[in-house]
Amino acid sequence: DAGVIQSPRHEVTEMGQEVTLRCKPISGHNSLFWYRQTMMRGLELLIYFNNNVPIDDSGMPEDRFSAKMPNASFSTLKIQPSEPRDSAVYFCASSFVRSSGNTIYFGEGSWLTVV
Amino acid sequence: AQSVTQLDSHVSVSEGTPVLLRCNYSSSYSPSLFWYVQHPNKGLQLLLKYTSAATLVKGINGFEAEFKKSETSFHLTKPSAHMSDAAEYFCVVSDGGGSYIPTFGRGTSLIVHP
Repeated sequence: DAGVIQSPRHEVTEMGQEVTLRCKPISGHNSLFWYRQTMMRGLELLIYFNNNVPIDDSGMPEDRFSAKMPNASFSTLKIQPSEPRDSAVYFCASSFVRSSGNTIYFGEGSWLTVV
Repeated sequence: AQSVTQLDSHVSVSEGTPVLLRCNYSSSYSPSLFWYVQHPNKGLQLLLKYTSAATLVKGINGFEAEFKKSETSFHLTKPSAHMSDAAEYFCVVSDGGGSYIPTFGRGTSLIVHP
């Protein structure tokens, strides 16, 4: 099994530039999560998709952030324009949701630095 | 509603001594509970999970956890720490109460001294 695949693994960009992070969930999973991790705030849930539909985006910081899931095998998280405070590790995770609980599997993360 | 509390932000042990990382949870339903490990500059890896089967759950790398409903706890243990166990550990609850969004603890940093 390939696991959750994220790209790019590392990105350094200048303030004001657009950043697009990509995620391929595990085949057959019906839920996808985007998380952000920083030293100050820990692990934060940004958005949760179920069957490609955004269910909870209350964690998305502001309008500069947007996420899409056009099909079951691909999702993007976009930041436009980027700011230095967006520097963080962004994790994508997927799971197969069922009533008995869902194990979520994480990608290796995208390390974003905005200078 | 669900919540999880990791009682220690840092735990320091010597190599070869037992490890105990504490986790208490709150859930309105029958919860599923998980422990994840994150090594430096890596993603989160599933260590073990409890999903209403045996209350003592064995995971990878010699770790195990015991689900205690009466104490609402799911502590992670290992008989003998290894240097490679130094990492951040996250306790997670998912009670399937319609949301299916897992709740993560704040994490416990395990430090292993030679």
